[in-house]
Amino acid sequence: AQKITQTQPGMFVQEKEAVTLDCTYDTSDQSYGLFWYKQPSSGEMIFLIYQGSYDEQNATEGRYSLNFQKARKSANLVISASQLGDSAMYFCAMRELNNAGNMLTFGGGTRLMVKP
Amino acid sequence: DTGVSQNPRHKITKRGQNVTFRCDPISEHNRLYWYRQTLGQGPEFLTYFQNEAQLEKSRLLSDRFSAERPKGSFSTLEIQRTEQGDSAMYLCASSHRRAGRTDTQYFGPGTRLTVL
Repeated sequence: AQKITQTQPGMFVQEKEAVTLDCTYDTSDQSYGLFWYKQPSSGEMIFLIYQGSYDEQNATEGRYSLNFQKARKSANLVISASQLGDSAMYFCAMRELNNAGNMLTFGGGTRLMVKP
Repeated sequence: DTGVSQNPRHKITKRGQNVTFRCDPISEHNRLYWYRQTLGQGPEFLTYFQNEAQLEKSRLLSDRFSAERPKGSFSTLEIQRTEQGDSAMYLCASSHRRAGRTDTQYFGPGTRLTVL
């Protein structure tokens, strides 16, 4: 079964508008972390934002915020005031903290295209 | 602050040849990870080192794959007798576990392997 699901293969957004990228996850662990990464065409994965399962407040980092709904097992990324440079692939990932391997499990990604 | 570096950035080889990739993590990061990413997919975990010890290997890491981190600093990933199915982007990441802080993985630019 998919542990991380990103249902939007591609999204368009107008420059300066906000956009929400969806992510749902599946785990039976109580302790886990959720991450969002951006991957431009150059290929490097750039860390954007982190949410811990016990964090009571939604994480924010500049123009990025995470809409964390634990009961629904969703961790959507909100990008405010989109810029042309935001055009990239976006990946949601989870680390189950009881996992000895410390690995990240990634979703299939969403391609965001910002229109001028 | 120097990020994670990987060499080479691109590698084209013929089926059956051996290839070796190198990853230099962020200085003082004690954890190092290898992932593989095929076109249109999210990265998949291959293996994980804490210092020089290889603590976890994915079942994706067949006998033809071997990874080392001899002095707990840089790491190499070798693929023997390459197959066309090995064509992918190989991503390296590093992290540093600190008490009370998120153990965030930072990625390098990747090595793109093409097997002809």
